[in-house]
Amino acid sequence: GQNIDQPTEMTATEGAIVQINCTYQTSGFNGLFWYQQHAGEAPTFLSYNVLDGLEEKGRFSSFLSRSKGYSYLLLKELQMKDSASYLCAPMDSNYQLIWGAGTKLIIKP
Amino acid sequence: GAVVSQHPSWVICKSGTSVKIECRSLDFQATTMFWYRQFPKQSLMLMATSNEGSKATYEQGVEKDKFLINHASLTLSTLTVTSAHPEDSSFYICSARAGLAESLRGYFGPGTRLTVT
Repeated sequence: GQNIDQPTEMTATEGAIVQINCTYQTSGFNGLFWYQQHAGEAPTFLSYNVLDGLEEKGRFSSFLSRSKGYSYLLLKELQMKDSASYLCAPMDSNYQLIWGAGTKLIIKP
Repeated sequence: GAVVSQHPSWVICKSGTSVKIECRSLDFQATTMFWYRQFPKQSLMLMATSNEGSKATYEQGVEKDKFLINHASLTLSTLTVTSAHPEDSSFYICSARAGLAESLRGYFGPGTRLTVT
């Protein structure tokens, strides 16, 4: 079957760094997306990885290891507005995104 | 970047009535549109996938006669919730994607919050 495993909730301090891990199993693989979703809003795109390695985009970076079925999202210089859910969504062989419940990130001052 | 709109952003209706939600891609042609539903504190659930000019493909457990999807043009898809009941109250979100040769990425609309009383 297809599944996603992410921590349910994480807490971090403003200004710090946090890493959100994701392991996945899919039928085929066409890359992995990370989305941010604030409560009551639609998801917004953060990153897409299709090859192994680290993709850096400002304060956010995303890493992928296809052989391990593993990805992480790294958030630096945390701000209060980063409090949200972070969704790891791999894309399967049918170009369908597989969604888990996401990780709720709580930022404390 | 590509923009996807949804209308209405929220709607309250009485049990037994039907509600239509529109999803438009404003600056690109959406070959494929996805309709999701999300209950509070739960993950996104894909309801159906529609390709322009074709019948929608519904996920297991989603009643196609209750959730009518029309994707008649490359910029517009509609979801009609027929004979809505309180258990249909949810956050409905569409995502639009251009051809796979252009991009694998879908663009989300802002969502429609449906409350059935």
